[in-house]
Amino acid sequence: SQQGEEDPQALSIQEGENATMNCSYKTSINNLQWYRQNSGRGLVHLILIRSNEREKHSGRLRVTLDTSKKSSSLLITASRAADTASYFCATDDNAGGTSYGKLTFGQGTILTVHP
Amino acid sequence: NAGVMQNPRHLVRRRGQEARLRCSPMKGHSHVYWYRQLPEEGLKFMVYLQKENIIDESGMPKERFSAEFPKEGPSILRIQQVVRGDSAAYFCASSPGAGGPHIFGPGTRLTVL
Repeated sequence: SQQGEEDPQALSIQEGENATMNCSYKTSINNLQWYRQNSGRGLVHLILIRSNEREKHSGRLRVTLDTSKKSSSLLITASRAADTASYFCATDDNAGGTSYGKLTFGQGTILTVHP
Repeated sequence: NAGVMQNPRHLVRRRGQEARLRCSPMKGHSHVYWYRQLPEEGLKFMVYLQKENIIDESGMPKERFSAEFPKEGPSILRIQQVVRGDSAAYFCASSPGAGGPHIFGPGTRLTVL
């Protein structure tokens, strides 16, 4: 089954509103990362939060991590039409030995921001 | 710094042919990861390499797929005798060390006719 599962699968909002995406995972982790993918393109790293951190900010992005619930959320404040993209969480797992930094991705949330 | 380069960007092959996908990591990065993305899905890990070494190939299909990262030149993902199910986007990523953010290339979109 999928290590990272994201909720919702799709989110449609108006410009200026906040967007919240959630991610759940199953195993223990070293860190959790969020990526953005515009249609047909490569992924862009947004933010990394380590397993001993609870919250992290970067510009209009806020990420929280709850290791007891094995969940994370990504908040985009004051969204813009240019934020329209797919957003993926990815975990660097530490269950079962050395991970070497490989990532396990969720299915993603498709965010559409209407002007 | 040109970032991670992948070529070709699009590749069309007929069933039974070979596909060779190339990835040049970001300058100074010695860790290379390959991922596959099927339509409407997230990325799935395939293989992790350092120069001249395959470190973790737990995500690679046992047959027809191979990867290398020679001392000189790009990393190569090779798919022999392609089948329609191999059609996907293949992404390469690099990092300066294990456990940090990945820098992704633009991907190679493989279509098998």
